[in-house]
Amino acid sequence: AQSVTQLDSQVPVFEEAPVELRCNYSSSVSVYLFWYVQYPNQGLQLLLKYLSGSTLVESINGFEAEFNKSQTSFHLRKPSVHISDTAEYFCAVIRFTGGGNKLTFGTGTQLKVEL
Amino acid sequence: NAGVTQTPKFRVLKTGQSMTLLCAQDMNHEYMYWYRQDPGMGLRLIHYSVGEGTTAKGEVPDGYNVSRLKKQNFLLGLESAAPSQTSVYFCASQDGPGELFFGEGSRLTVL
Repeated sequence: AQSVTQLDSQVPVFEEAPVELRCNYSSSVSVYLFWYVQYPNQGLQLLLKYLSGSTLVESINGFEAEFNKSQTSFHLRKPSVHISDTAEYFCAVIRFTGGGNKLTFGTGTQLKVEL
Repeated sequence: NAGVTQTPKFRVLKTGQSMTLLCAQDMNHEYMYWYRQDPGMGLRLIHYSVGEGTTAKGEVPDGYNVSRLKKQNFLLGLESAAPSQTSVYFCASQDGPGELFFGEGSRLTVL
């Protein structure tokens, strides 16, 4: 069963416009949540994470995500995107079911920023 | 500061051939992982290791074997390559929970 759902496979947006990349997870147990970014021909890099505490987490390059337990969501947002944000973004979750702390990734959302 | 290094970066195989992908990390991490990435499917875990001398199966282990003889190295082997194994393979090592450091990937084509 898919535990992480990224509904949008591609999101085109104009430079300086806001963007939201959606992520929903399915779990009845506690979770840790992550967003990873993959630039062309590179490996994934951790963008931001939610482990505990404040439900709003931020990255160093202006992205933020909010953990919403009631809606089981962890959407990624940026108020004004730049050309350099063009990349594929992956939501990921760790579910604490006693089976270790392996990440499960979503299928990814390709963000394309246009002039 | 190398981080996670994968070799080779590209390889073309014929069906039935064997090969080994090497992953090396210089961060002294205990946990290491092998994923495959296919269009529209995200990353799927093949095998992982929680320390030197230990390995375990992930989500899609069939057709692959792994070894972790040294803490810094994690090898992924294909004994008899099939076209379905055409993919981009990523190795990662883990710092804190969920905090993975990825290599740049190895692109494998099986004809």
